[in-house]
Amino acid sequence: SAVISQKPSRDICQRGTSLTIQCQVDSQVTMMFWYRQQPGQSLTLIATANQGSEATYESGFVIDKFPISRPNLTFSTLTVSNMSPEDSSIYLCSVAQGSFTEAFFGQGTRLTVV
Amino acid sequence: DAKTTQPPSMDCAEGRAANLPCNHSTISGNEYVYWYRQIHSQGPQYIIHGLKNNETNEMASLIITEDRKSSTLILPHATLRDTAVYYCIGKSSYKLIFGSGTRLLVRP
Repeated sequence: SAVISQKPSRDICQRGTSLTIQCQVDSQVTMMFWYRQQPGQSLTLIATANQGSEATYESGFVIDKFPISRPNLTFSTLTVSNMSPEDSSIYLCSVAQGSFTEAFFGQGTRLTVV
Repeated sequence: DAKTTQPPSMDCAEGRAANLPCNHSTISGNEYVYWYRQIHSQGPQYIIHGLKNNETNEMASLIITEDRKSSTLILPHATLRDTAVYYCIGKSSYKLIFGSGTRLLVRP
């Protein structure tokens, strides 16, 4: 299993600003993912965070809006840039090993943009 | 990854079995069927997965039809704490793509 710590747990931000969300895992993992969950909706995969290289983004998500870093096997950040109210969502970090049987999720960061 | 179809909501009585169906008619031979659930205000939690054979663990049972076009997740004795959104996912690659899921309400 893996214990994931996400910071902040929640935040209220002004439109036009940026927020960086941190994901810390208690053990080394090969796979790290970032998801978005808009109010009342399912989870949408934003990107796969790759250690030492650029993240792999899903259709509809771009690096300029959601820059991701992954400096090592236990840590990643997601930045939500130039925020608008439409970015109000829960952002979740997920980790797994290899082609994995089980993925683990953080508690999420609840972001409100005003 | 296969597209899955689930009923948007279901309910069952506490102590009874909850049977959650999932249709995955386009699933390919190497795609596993995964089930996760998301309890309110928490991240998703792994429940069970299978390829062809039925599977059982301490949380649930997974019944996959012989043609693999559908499956059923069974919670044998549902409790109030099982109230959650349940996601059925067809996974062949390295990532999980969530569908809309089934919102299960367990009634006292």
